[in-house]
Amino acid sequence: KQEVTQIPAALSVPEGENLVLNCSFTDSAIYNLQWFRQDPGKGLTSLLLIQSSQREQTSGRLNASLDKSSGRSTLYIAASQPGDSATYLCAVDTGGGNKLTFGTGTQLKVEL
Amino acid sequence: GAVVSQHPSWVICKSGTSVKIECRSLDFQATTMFWYRQFPKQSLMLMATSNEGSKATYEQGVEKDKFLINHASLTLSTLTVTSAHPEDSSFYICSARDFDDEKLFFGSGTQLSVL
Repeated sequence: KQEVTQIPAALSVPEGENLVLNCSFTDSAIYNLQWFRQDPGKGLTSLLLIQSSQREQTSGRLNASLDKSSGRSTLYIAASQPGDSATYLCAVDTGGGNKLTFGTGTQLKVEL
Repeated sequence: GAVVSQHPSWVICKSGTSVKIECRSLDFQATTMFWYRQFPKQSLMLMATSNEGSKATYEQGVEKDKFLINHASLTLSTLTVTSAHPEDSSFYICSARDFDDEKLFFGSGTQLSVL
C-alpha cells in the first residue's frame, strides 16, 4: 500500500526566504506526482505535475523535483511571500487513472 | 481554467438525517469523479471513484450503503451521507477528470458538521 509522508508538518519563515518542502513515498512505481496548494476550508489548486519519466517541473517561483527510485520529491519555493501561506500537499498516482494518494501536508506560514 | 463547483460549501445537520453534496464540472465533461474525505489535520483520503452511468467503486473500509454516490450525467456527481452521525463530520472534496485532456480539477469542498 502506497504511503506518502511530508516533512516538515509545519514551517514558518520570514518573507523573502527560499524554502524546500519534502515528500516521500513508499512505492516507487508511480505514474506521476503532483503538488497542490490548499487554503483553509478550500479545495485544492494544482501547482505542478511531474510525470514518472520527468525529473523536475518549474512554474514561476516554484520548482518541483522527482527522484522516483528513492521515492522522493521536493518543492522549492523561491523568494517566499505572505501570499504563499497555505498547506502544501503532494500526491502520487500509483495505479493510473488519477486515483491519488495524498501526503499529510506541510502547513506554511510566510511572515512579513 | 476548468471549474468544478461543489455545493453546499458547509452544512450542519442533526444526527440521523441525510445530506446530499453536489459536484459539478462547469465547462467540461467528466466521465470520472472522485470523492475524498479530510479529517482535521489529516490528509485527504479517497472514498470512492464515480463513473458516469455505472456504479461507483468504493475504497476499502468505506460503506457504500452509507455514502451513496450517483453520477447520472457527464457533469454531475452527488454524494449522499445517509443517516449521518457525528463521526461523519468531516471536510468532503470532489475532483473531476476532464474527458478531453484527463486533467484533474478539485471542488472547493464541503464542511459537514453533524450534531
